[in-house]
Formats: sequence, structure tokens, C-alpha cells
Amino acid sequence: AQTVTQSQPEMSVQEAETVTLSCTYDTSESNYYLFWYKQPPSRQMILVIRQEAYKQQNATENRFSVNFQKAAKSFSLKISDSQLGDTAMYFCAFMKRGLANTGKLIFGQGTTLQVKP
Amino acid sequence: DAGVTQSPTHLIKTRGQQVTLRCSPKSGHDTVSWYQQALGQGPQFIFQYYEEEERQRGNFPDRFSGHQFPNYSSELNVNALLLGDSALYLCASSPEYPANLYGYTFGSGTRLTVV
Repeated sequence: AQTVTQSQPEMSVQEAETVTLSCTYDTSESNYYLFWYKQPPSRQMILVIRQEAYKQQNATENRFSVNFQKAAKSFSLKISDSQLGDTAMYFCAFMKRGLANTGKLIFGQGTTLQVKP
Repeated sequence: DAGVTQSPTHLIKTRGQQVTLRCSPKSGHDTVSWYQQALGQGPQFIFQYYEEEERQRGNFPDRFSGHQFPNYSSELNVNALLLGDSALYLCASSPEYPANLYGYTFGSGTRLTVV
């Protein structure tokens, strides 16, 4: 069975600074996807960034980038130039890759990020 | 283009009662998944529906059941409610392919409180 672990329950960062959220996972699968989702107080889970395990290049989306270390089973999220709107709970998630979309998302426990002015 | 719509947004039920939650997927999406998110925790997968059939199920008891209609909308039913069923219930939709590439689109959830 796959597990996802986020060891930082809460983090804070000053506006415009950089912060890194940690995530580790455990799986015996070789083909899978990893995601970071953001959940603001509005409760809607919003996709931040995704990484395909077979790609060695780290994914980037504007101010968001990941450090994907497949051998170490580590998938951290770096937020650059933090903005007040980045305040939210962040979840790391794993999905097994398959021929058909039968994949379920397995989430970590979440990290609450507060961006301070 | 409407995203995923869930109703109701909040619900209070008494222990032992039954509840039905509803979800309309994003336009163009035909697969619906349901998740339970306890307060301060990550979402837990309940089940997934595609072509009106339950395709995959998480570790939830039979009190949790669902349905998908021909228009791809879905319902989550919970019988014999327990206090521990209090949670945010999230619906997520995706196209059959390539959901793996883009992940899921989530609704804002239904907050269920069992008293």
C-alpha cells in the first residue's frame, strides 16, 4: 500500500520570501504521479503542480517548483516570492499510473502555511 | 464553464439518520470520485464512479454507497450515521483520460455534522 507523509503540520513565511514544504512517500510502484494541492478556507482543493515519476526534470509552475528525488521518495514544494494569497493548507498526493483512469489520490496529512505581511 | 458543484454546502444530521450528498461534475468530465476529509486531515478516498458503476472503493463500510446518473452527476449516501461520519465530503471529477495527466477538479465540499 502507498503512504504519503508530510512532517510539517504548520509553517509560516514572510511575504516575498521563499518557503519549502516537505513530502515523502512510500510505494513499490515504478510508474506514478505526484501532486501538490492547495486548500484555502474556501475548502476547494486546487491543483498547484504535478510531477510524472518517469520524468527526471523537476516540474515548475510560475512561483511554484518541486524537488523530486525518486530514489529517496521525496517530493518537496518550493514557493518563491510568497504572497498573502498563498495562505492555505497544502497537501501532497500520490496517484498510481495505469492504463485506465482507475487511479485514486492518496493524500498526506497536510501542511498549514501562513504567509505573514 | 462551471466547475464541480456540490450540494448542500452544510448539513446537520442526527446519529442513526441517513443522508444524501450530491455532485455535478465539471462539463466534459465523466468520472466522479468521493473523498472524506476529517477536520485537520487529508482527504480519504471513498469510491469512484464511471459509466454508472462503482469502479474502485476505498476502505469504507457498506453504510457508504453511491450512484452515478446518465448525465454523470453522482450521489453519496450514508446510512446509520455515526458521530465519526462528521467531516467534509469532497467530490472530484475527471475525464476518463487523461485524468492522470491533469489530476482532478474538486468541488468545495459538503460539511456534514452528525449530532
